[in-house]
Amino acid sequence: EAQVTQNPRYLITVTGKKLTVTCSQNMNHEYMSWYRQDPGLGLRQIYYSMNVEVTDKGDVPEGYKVSRKEKRNFPLILESPSPNQTSLYFCASSLERTWNSPLHFGNGTRLTVT
Amino acid sequence: KNEVEQSPQNLTAQEGEFITINCSYSVGISALHWLQQHPGGGIVSLFMLSSGKKKHGRLIATINIQEKHSSLHITASHPRDSAVYICAAQVRSDKLIFGTGTRLQVFP
Repeated sequence: EAQVTQNPRYLITVTGKKLTVTCSQNMNHEYMSWYRQDPGLGLRQIYYSMNVEVTDKGDVPEGYKVSRKEKRNFPLILESPSPNQTSLYFCASSLERTWNSPLHFGNGTRLTVT
Repeated sequence: KNEVEQSPQNLTAQEGEFITINCSYSVGISALHWLQQHPGGGIVSLFMLSSGKKKHGRLIATINIQEKHSSLHITASHPRDSAVYICAAQVRSDKLIFGTGTRLQVFP
């Protein structure tokens, strides 16, 4: 089944403790992106990747890192999480070189930083 | 003012009603996406359109490029249509601007 898999679904952590949220897609998509969703603000892009070893900042990249060593995986790394990073996170992928193709989303990761 | 505005923010309907959700944008776009987010949180892409109209089952999406406006219609609504509907404007190949969503509840 074609899908984007995110893990974990729920994560509670403390300020400063490094964490990684994994994202994997099995559709051979070139383009992958991370978003955070906060009440009243909609989805905002954190980082995106147009291909292996190519990553770029989105609108809210501060406090986050990503890597794209393989086409299928695009992990989101929080080196030193802070409470303002408490949010619902989504990974998404798309087939073509532009975003002119349907988006496929993971099921989300709800992160709480205390 | 947000570059992508949705209305209404919340919508309640009885089963069987015809529903319209609106999306207005103030930027130039190459495409407009409609997404559905269920209470469990998962997001599904419903439509991507750059002109005219698209239909899938009971869902219809239209866009008027000149007026910078898109609508999502649901015919014969059903409780399982209850979800948050999000429009997103594709402003360039790597950037989407999302609306804040319309929460729809359909009661039996």
